[in-house]
Amino acid sequence: GAGVSQSPSNKVTEKGKDVELRCDPISGHTALYWYRQSLGQGLEFLIYFQGNSAPDKSGLPSDRFSAERTGGSVSTLTIQRTQQEDSAVYLCASSWTSGSLNTQYFGPGTRLTVL
Amino acid sequence: SQELEQSPQSLIVQEGKNLTINCTSSKTLYGLYWYKQKYGEGLIFLMMLQKGGEEKSHEKITAKLDEKKQQSSLHITASQPSHAGIYLCGADNRNTPLVFGKGTRLSVIA
Repeated sequence: GAGVSQSPSNKVTEKGKDVELRCDPISGHTALYWYRQSLGQGLEFLIYFQGNSAPDKSGLPSDRFSAERTGGSVSTLTIQRTQQEDSAVYLCASSWTSGSLNTQYFGPGTRLTVL
Repeated sequence: SQELEQSPQSLIVQEGKNLTINCTSSKTLYGLYWYKQKYGEGLIFLMMLQKGGEEKSHEKITAKLDEKKQQSSLHITASQPSHAGIYLCGADNRNTPLVFGKGTRLSVIA
């Protein structure tokens, strides 16, 4: 079946603007994760959703970052008042369920550039 | 907190040569994932290892997890240009968000 999809693939914005990044997980996967990959850095966990449970927001770097998941499927990551340090590739992943040993499958990412 | 160190950071090999990438954990691993990433693309799942001493192969790529479950290696035999990319290891330490190494960038030259 279809893999994880993300949109847009590229986003260029001006400092101070808000941006929304979308993730469409693999059908049937109940767990959804957002990661950030900055130049020279590894993958940094941001937030994850498991079913209808409250999301784990422990990785969000500031209160400018938020995410929601509607209907247990599509997720939107919102960055308010973007800063240049927010420039990175934002990756979404999904898995059948959360918990150990559940393989996460990644989307192609959204490359965000903040001018 | 869990930390993963990958070595080397980058690697250039001639087509047809073998190579090994290492991933060392600061803690005993519950599970270890290997992913490959090409520029502008997401991560492609390669293999997952859980048991000490476990070894898995897919085509010309073999991954091993040591008996102590703190180190994993990824070995590519007879490398090809299609193997080029960034290889990332990810630790499953019984916490759902995987912890990743910084990656090894592999270039294969003709």
